[in-house]
Amino acid sequence: SQQGEEDPQALSIQEGENATMNCSYKTSINNLQWYRQNSGRGLVHLILIRSNEREKHSGRLRVTLDTSKKSSSLLITASRAADTASYFCATDEEGAQKLVFGQGTRLTINP
Amino acid sequence: NAGVMQNPRHLVRRRGQEARLRCSPMKGHSHVYWYRQLPEEGLKFMVYLQKENIIDESGMPKERFSAEFPKEGPSILRIQQVVRGDSAAYFCASSPQLAGMNEQFFGPGTRLTVL
Repeated sequence: SQQGEEDPQALSIQEGENATMNCSYKTSINNLQWYRQNSGRGLVHLILIRSNEREKHSGRLRVTLDTSKKSSSLLITASRAADTASYFCATDEEGAQKLVFGQGTRLTINP
Repeated sequence: NAGVMQNPRHLVRRRGQEARLRCSPMKGHSHVYWYRQLPEEGLKFMVYLQKENIIDESGMPKERFSAEFPKEGPSILRIQQVVRGDSAAYFCASSPQLAGMNEQFFGPGTRLTVL
């Protein structure tokens, strides 16, 4: 079965810098979503990008999708301490409704 | 519009007991999904339900686990005769239509600890 895989597993940067996380998957998808999870909390939906879209923006977030490479990236610009969290990509296969999550990237923003 | 609600938020059970986890989807949502998250891992799909129907249970363990989404009331994930390996966070998500068309909205989760 397909599996989203995030890269890197952990990322530590200084406040104000940009953070880039990558996600790869294996099969054809309907769309790809990014979620944030603060330690011990639930998931917050950040952004959804459809398979026919290449780039999407939401505030300080920029997501790209390359279906030929089966990969996506999440860019957080001008990072803040409050961005410290784990970030997960999730995909749904064509014809299926379940989401397949990667292992996540643990992002730490140092003040 | 209240979000997805789950209760209890924390549940402690001794080995051999039963655990019942409840999920109320967002208003207007008729699709419910259950996921399990082990420490330091991503979420793993368990089951997808619509009202009174199990659509996909490919992620459910073959024994001790069951799920329902009755015509009235919340969705229930039931774990019988719990073991220590069942300790995890269990998340429920809902969507108004097929997930291919809409994102899934997640509840805060139930953290199950088996002693």
